[in-house]
Amino acid sequence: AQRVTQPEKLLSVFKGAPVELKCNYSYSGSPELFWYVQYSRQRLQLLLRHISRESIKGFTADLNKGETSFHLKKPFAQEEDSAMYYCALRSGSARQLTFGSGTQLTVLP
Amino acid sequence: KAGVTQTPRYLIKTRGQQVTLSCSPISGHRSVSWYQQTPGQGLQFLFEYFSETQRNKGNFPGRFSGRQFSNSRSEMNVSTLELGDSALYLCASSPAREGNEQFFGPGTRLTVL
Repeated sequence: AQRVTQPEKLLSVFKGAPVELKCNYSYSGSPELFWYVQYSRQRLQLLLRHISRESIKGFTADLNKGETSFHLKKPFAQEEDSAMYYCALRSGSARQLTFGSGTQLTVLP
Repeated sequence: KAGVTQTPRYLIKTRGQQVTLSCSPISGHRSVSWYQQTPGQGLQFLFEYFSETQRNKGNFPGRFSGRQFSNSRSEMNVSTLELGDSALYLCASSPAREGNEQFFGPGTRLTVL
């Protein structure tokens, strides 16, 4: 069975500090990994996916198959980054997303 | 394009009742998935429909069911409501059979008293 673990429920950093949101997964095949974000009073939206290898809003995430991790990083956090972040996995055979429990990021002024 | 819409946005029911939630996907999207979001269990997959057929189903009891219409609009039904069914129910649509990004709706907040 596939599983996504986000070990931190809450994470606070100061504006301008680096931020890393951790995500580990368990899946025997080749997964697709995603980061979704939910800003206050807004709907869940895709932030980035490992396939595209792009940087969105300064965030990057690298898939490390050896460590089965997909940590989300940003070198300089901004106050507008405060939100709930979900790591998600989609397996090859099933089309549904398996979500982690989420990390609430707060960027302090 | 208009985003995914869900109706109603809020719903209050009592135990034992049944409820139907509606989801209108983005125009042209044929795949619709449903998720349940609760503080304790997080986001959990309920089921996915594509071209009026259920393709995948999560680990939920048979009280949870759904369907999709020819215009890709989808409904989910929960019968014999229990207190634990109180949750935010999210609908997501994606464009193709081997869909990429899922676009989420605002959700329907169901409260069971």
